[in-house]
Amino acid sequence: DSGVTQTPKHLITATGQRVTLRCSPRSGDLSVYWYQQSLDQGLQFLIQYYNGEERAKGNILERFSAQQFPDLHSELNLSSLELGDSALYFCASSRDNSYEQYFGPGTRLTVT
Amino acid sequence: GESVGLHLPTLSVQEGDNSIINCAYSNSASDYFIWYKQESGKGPQFIIDIRSNMDKRQGQRVTVLLNKTVKHLSLQIAATQPGDSAVYFCAENKYGNKLVFGAGTILRVKS
Repeated sequence: DSGVTQTPKHLITATGQRVTLRCSPRSGDLSVYWYQQSLDQGLQFLIQYYNGEERAKGNILERFSAQQFPDLHSELNLSSLELGDSALYFCASSRDNSYEQYFGPGTRLTVT
Repeated sequence: GESVGLHLPTLSVQEGDNSIINCAYSNSASDYFIWYKQESGKGPQFIIDIRSNMDKRQGQRVTVLLNKTVKHLSLQIAATQPGDSAVYFCAENKYGNKLVFGAGTILRVKS
C-alpha cells in the first residue's frame, strides 16, 4: 500500500458526461501528479500540483482540469467525455518536487 | 503521445536467474532516470532512480546502469523471484518536472 488513495475505483459513464476523480496523497506529501494509462498511449503525465499551485502540465486536454485543495487532496475533472477517454487514471504524490513518486491504485474510467 | 506502441516486449526468466530489462531514452538533457514496476491491477511502484551524472546505482537486488553514450538504461534484477513478475517501465524527466514513461517490458518468472 503506497499510502495514496483514489476514489472511485471504477466509474462507468456515458459520452458527453462529466466526472470527478479524487486523490488523497500520502501524509506529508505536497506534490500531486495525475497520469492517464491507456492501451494505445501507455502511461502519460497529465498535470502536477505542488502545495495548491499548478507546477507542470503535460498532455492534458482542455476538457480536463484539476485542482489541489488546502488539505492537499486533489481532484481531476473530466468533461464532455468521449469513448477515447476510457482509461486508468492514476494519482501519484511525492514529498516535494521529486521523481520518487508514490502511485495510488487508480480509477478505471469506462465511457460508453 | 510520448509512449509508443502496445505490443510490449516480454522477458521470460527462470526463477533464481538474473534478469536484465533494457530501455532506450531520447533526451540527452534528462537529469533523472527512474524505474517503476507495475503489478497487475495496481499502480506503478518506484524501484530505483539514477542521476545523469552516474553510471551505476545499486539497490536491494536491483542495479540500474546508465550508458549516456548510446542513451541506454538497464535494470538488473538478481535472483529473480515469482513476485518480480510485472510490467517494468523506465522513465526520464524529459521536460523538467514531467516524467515521460517508456512503453514497458513484461517480466514473466517461471517457477
